[in-house]
Amino acid sequence: DARVTQTPRHKVTEMGQEVTMRCQPILGHNTVFWYRQTMMQGLELLAYFRNRAPLDDSGMPKDRFSAEMPDATLATLKIQPSEPRDSAVYFCASGFDTGTGEQYFGPGTRLTVT
Amino acid sequence: AQSVSQHNHHVILSEAASLELGCNYSYGGTVNLFWYVQYPGQHLQLLLKYFSGDPLVKGIKGFEAEFIKSKFSFNLRKPSVQWSDTAEYFCAVSPSGSARQLTFGSGTQLTVLP
Repeated sequence: DARVTQTPRHKVTEMGQEVTMRCQPILGHNTVFWYRQTMMQGLELLAYFRNRAPLDDSGMPKDRFSAEMPDATLATLKIQPSEPRDSAVYFCASGFDTGTGEQYFGPGTRLTVT
Repeated sequence: AQSVSQHNHHVILSEAASLELGCNYSYGGTVNLFWYVQYPGQHLQLLLKYFSGDPLVKGIKGFEAEFIKSKFSFNLRKPSVQWSDTAEYFCAVSPSGSARQLTFGSGTQLTVLP
């Protein structure tokens, strides 16, 4: 049963610290998406990749957030420096860019910045 | 750019009641449509999807949705809800032929009372 995996599942950090979240997409999928979910804003798309190339990261605060795919099995989302307003659940999803286009979500990383 | 509206933010039903959650989208071209469910503390899971053919699609757990092109709607239905259906439901749209970026609605929280 192929699944998207994310680490860590929970992260508590102090303001100003660097946070790195990792995602392993489902093997063979060629699109990867990062979302942020908060009570106030709901589900927001931060960035997405196709064949490891970034296609759109306009949803991401560029001064502190960065997203990369160093290889096909790993996507990372980094926040430096972190701020309390970054507290949220961050989901990674993967899929194919052909066919029906559904996305498969990982379990999320719950980030708390104090 | 496409957008998705879910007009019901919170729906409360008793067990065995029938459910209909509204979803309307805005996009001028051909779309793929999805309903995702998020159980408390969990990640998003695909309930059902429409991409072509029969506008009435059936998903998991007894859910179904009907695509009405003239109304730009994709409402989710279930004839008899259960307490275990308590969750948040998200409608999403993806333009056909795109890099499969999904645009999500704001979600509807369904609470089923036992």
